[in-house]
Formats: sequence, structure tokens, C-alpha cells
Amino acid sequence: GIQVEQSPPDLILQEGANSTLRCNFSDSVNNLQWFHQNPWGQLINLFYIPSGTKQNGRLSATTVATERYSLLYISSSQTTDSGVYFCGFVGTASKLTFGTGTRLQVTL
Amino acid sequence: ETGVTQSPTHLIKTRGQQVTLRCSSQSGHNTVSWYQQALGQGPQFIFQYYREEENGRGNFPPRFSGLQFPNYSSELNVNALELDDSALYLCASSLLAGFGEAFFGQGTRLTVV
Repeated sequence: GIQVEQSPPDLILQEGANSTLRCNFSDSVNNLQWFHQNPWGQLINLFYIPSGTKQNGRLSATTVATERYSLLYISSSQTTDSGVYFCGFVGTASKLTFGTGTRLQVTL
Repeated sequence: ETGVTQSPTHLIKTRGQQVTLRCSSQSGHNTVSWYQQALGQGPQFIFQYYREEENGRGNFPPRFSGLQFPNYSSELNVNALELDDSALYLCASSLLAGFGEAFFGQGTRLTVV
């Protein structure tokens, strides 16, 4: 099956810093999504981005399907951005396959 | 528009017991998927229901079973609970099976003792 790798696995930032999270996949994928899992466990949708670039406030995402990667940009990070960020795609059997996750901690 | 809701939020069960978790899909969505997330790992696909039929299953034993109702809400049943079943169970709904954006509920945290 298609493998999904996220980097970095862990990231510590000071409030106000910018960061880039990366999602690499081993083959062409559809329906790529980015999620933020908050400390209570809920997966919050950030972007549904099979290709191209989208922006939502301080967050933006770019997927280059032909080169098999997606990037999530966080600008001016805040403590509320802390948590785990997952990318995921829909492959066979209609299932979302998740990456390994990036654990982000934003400190004051 | 109502989001995806799951119940209960927390649950403690004894090994060998059975449990039923519930999920109400987002308004207008006809597909529900269930995921298990162990501590420190990413969610793993259990199965999906589309228009009341199972539409794909992950690598989980038959004691994990499900149901989808005409209103597209869903249940996840787990029989003969094992300690390793302790996890966060997440439900996601989407408009079309295999396509479209998936939206998740807040999860049910199951502890098996």
C-alpha cells in the first residue's frame, strides 16, 4: 500500500515563529487532508487539498501531487497551535490512511 | 448544520465485556467510517458504512462489527473486549464513500481493565 511519511516527527517553537510541516507519499493519492488533533483527541479539519494551494488565516497548505508531497505552513504560531498534525489520504477501500504525525509544541 | 457527534465520550469496561459506541453523522452525509487510535499512534481504519452497507474493512477481527441506520447514524460494537482494545475511537462522516472531505467527531475514549 501507499506509505505516508511526515516530517519532522517533533517540533518545538516559540510563540510567533513560523514552521513548515511536510507530508510525503509513495504514490499518487487523492483527497489529501490535513488535520490538527487537539489535546482532547478531536481531529480538526484544516485543509482538503488534493492539489494546489489554499490559505486559511495563519495556515496555508500546498500539495504537489506530481511530486508526491504536501506542505502545511503555520505562521506566527500560537500556543493553541500545539498538538499533533496529521496528513491523510483516501486510498483503497475508501479508507483514510494517516501519516505518522508531527507533534508540535508552541511555548511562550 | 450539525457536526459529527459521538457518545459516550469516555467509557470503562472490563475484559471480556461487550461495548457499543455511537456516532451521528454530519447533516447530509451518507458515509460513516470508524477508526481506532492507540496512544501515540495515528488513527487506524476499522470499517466504513455507505448507505447501510459495509463498504470496506481494515485489519480488525470479526469481534469488531458495525451498523448503519437509515438516518446514516452508526454503531460500532466490540465483543469480548481485550486490554489492547483500550484506545480512542473516532467516527468520521463524508458525503460520498471514498471521495470528499471527511469530518470527525470528538471521539470515545475506551479503557478496558
